[in-house]
Amino acid sequence: GDSVTQTEGLVTVTEGLPVKLNCTYQTTYLTIAFFWYVQYLNEAPQVLLRSSTDNKRTEHQGFHATLHKSSSSFHLQKSSAQLSDSALYYCALSGNTRKLIFGLGTTLQVQP
Amino acid sequence: EAAVTQSPRNKVTVTGGNVTLSCRQTNSHNYMYWYRQDTGHGLRLIHYSYGAGNLQIGDVPDGYKATRTTQEDFFLLLELASPSQTSLYFCASSDAGTGGHYEQYFGPGTRLTVL
Repeated sequence: GDSVTQTEGLVTVTEGLPVKLNCTYQTTYLTIAFFWYVQYLNEAPQVLLRSSTDNKRTEHQGFHATLHKSSSSFHLQKSSAQLSDSALYYCALSGNTRKLIFGLGTTLQVQP
Repeated sequence: EAAVTQSPRNKVTVTGGNVTLSCRQTNSHNYMYWYRQDTGHGLRLIHYSYGAGNLQIGDVPDGYKATRTTQEDFFLLLELASPSQTSLYFCASSDAGTGGHYEQYFGPGTRLTVL
């Protein structure tokens, strides 16, 4: 079946250093889109990035991600992590149904 | 801007109790969803609906009923609550976005504790 894998449950990085959160997927859908959701403490998940175009970089709030269908990946990256980036991040796949397939989430902890 | 509200925000009940969680969206979206969020399990879909009177089974439906009374309102019912249903519950709504992909907008969540 279709699935999204986030390999790290927790990523800890020092402020100012680069960060990468991994997201890979398996799907039989021919047309797909991806979302990165961010959930700050005691808040609701909200969309951070979205993409449906292969090999096109998408950016928002200093984060960027590129959908690579050849490697089934949509990793989230930032060149310089900030304390305010500490949150729970979900990768989610959209196929041609009305449901999103979520990964288990990665907690990003940015330390001073 | 999408607007999804949930009530109550916190609820404590006892084992065997009846609980109704409410969700309202004001963005005229057709689709609404109920999720539970638990550490180590991420977001898991309980039920969803594509309009008033419609209900679709999600991935973890056991122990839950749901009802969509209007386009705006979606309710989650726990008729015999159990401690395993202690969780953070999110409601979401969506409609077709760019390219037909369904971006979901989440409410603030309801924290349910079953003693």
